[in-house]
Amino acid sequence: SQTIHQWPATLVQPVGSPLSLECTVEGTSNPNLYWYRQAAGRGLQLLFYSVGIGQISSEVPQNLSASRPQDRQFILSSKKLLLSDSGFYLCAWSGRDHSNQPQHFGDGTRLSIL
Amino acid sequence: LAKTTQPISMDSYEGQEVNITCSHNNIATNDYITWYQQFPSQGPRFIIQGYKTKVTNEVASLFIPADRKSSTLSLPRVSLSDTAVYYCLVRLEDSSYKLIFGSGTRLLVRP
Repeated sequence: SQTIHQWPATLVQPVGSPLSLECTVEGTSNPNLYWYRQAAGRGLQLLFYSVGIGQISSEVPQNLSASRPQDRQFILSSKKLLLSDSGFYLCAWSGRDHSNQPQHFGDGTRLSIL
Repeated sequence: LAKTTQPISMDSYEGQEVNITCSHNNIATNDYITWYQQFPSQGPRFIIQGYKTKVTNEVASLFIPADRKSSTLSLPRVSLSDTAVYYCLVRLEDSSYKLIFGSGTRLLVRP
């Protein structure tokens, strides 16, 4: 069966520090991968999606970037965190035909910027 | 930019049936409608997905009219543990290669 792992579960970082959040998927190949952010009490905002290694589409101009160095690995990064980067970050995957296959989410990373 | 629309919140009592409707006027011909449940500090969990008419699984039913411009998630006999936020998800016609979450409906089940 397929599983998705995100880490860390929680993270507290000072303003201006770098960030690296990692997401890996097991039990499937060539997945579509997604990063979302959720502010407190709000809906999910799609940040990035990837349909293959090295292929990243950005949905929202911001302080963050994403990379996909391996087929089942998706990394969210920042060189200098802002206060506004606080939130709940979720990674998700879906099968290749993503319009008909549901996305499956990890447990998320709670990021607090001080 | 077209979007999906859901009620912001709903209240119910244990044992009642709850129906949550989502509007998606610009749904594309080949798109499916998917519903998720989310508890605090957890990732959304897939509930049900459908294309047209009615789909039923062990936890919910999904009703989709012929024009597919809306869908209704039906939760039979809710319990306190069904208190959560419910999202409907479609790929909108003018949104290229991405999926759009609705605003979410916060369901509160009271004893």
